[in-house]
Amino acid sequence: GNSVTQMEGPVTLSEEAFLTINCTYTATGYPSLFWYVQYPGEGLQLLLKATKADDKGSNKGFEATYRKETTSFHLEKGSVQVSDSAVYFCALSGTNAGGTSYGKLTFGQGTILTVHP
Amino acid sequence: ETGVTQTPRHLVMGMTNKKSLKCEQHLGHNAMYWYKQSAKKPLELMFVYSLEERVENNSVPSRFSPECPNSSHLFLHLHTLQPEDSALYLCASSRLTGTPQETQYFGPGTRLLVL
Repeated sequence: GNSVTQMEGPVTLSEEAFLTINCTYTATGYPSLFWYVQYPGEGLQLLLKATKADDKGSNKGFEATYRKETTSFHLEKGSVQVSDSAVYFCALSGTNAGGTSYGKLTFGQGTILTVHP
Repeated sequence: ETGVTQTPRHLVMGMTNKKSLKCEQHLGHNAMYWYKQSAKKPLELMFVYSLEERVENNSVPSRFSPECPNSSHLFLHLHTLQPEDSALYLCASSRLTGTPQETQYFGPGTRLLVL
């Protein structure tokens, strides 16, 4: 079946530091890959996505590249801010064993990011 | 502004109570989802509705009963819950199901505590 593995947190950084959160996946077929962010007390918001190999998703200074050869979708940001403190979820949307997609998202366990001034 | 609202935002209930969670989407989408987010566990998909028809039920106990009267509204009816059902329940919607590329838009969630 499909699965997503994220680097364990929590991750604590100083403002303006470089961020990498690793994400690897296992899936059949051609999944789409997503990063969602959850700020305290809120639901999940889409941060970025990529729908095919070598696609780069980007938003608000965050980037992630869909690497089929390494089955990875690592999240990066060159200079984090205090306002980036949140929980980050890597997810994939693929097909089930019968080749059908019901839009099921498979999530990683989430990585807590704390950025200090 | 995600366009997906959920009520109530917080709920405390006893194990013998019956309550309902409500989700409404203002995005013109045709698919809606219920997820459960427990501490230290990945988000779990519970139910999927496409055009008001349930298309996936992810082995959820019968004490959780979903209802989708139209494409804009989704309910989760709760009865005789257990303390381990305490969690954040998230609703999401998407334009369609059937293709992996569709983005799901989430509501803020209902924080449920079962005593």
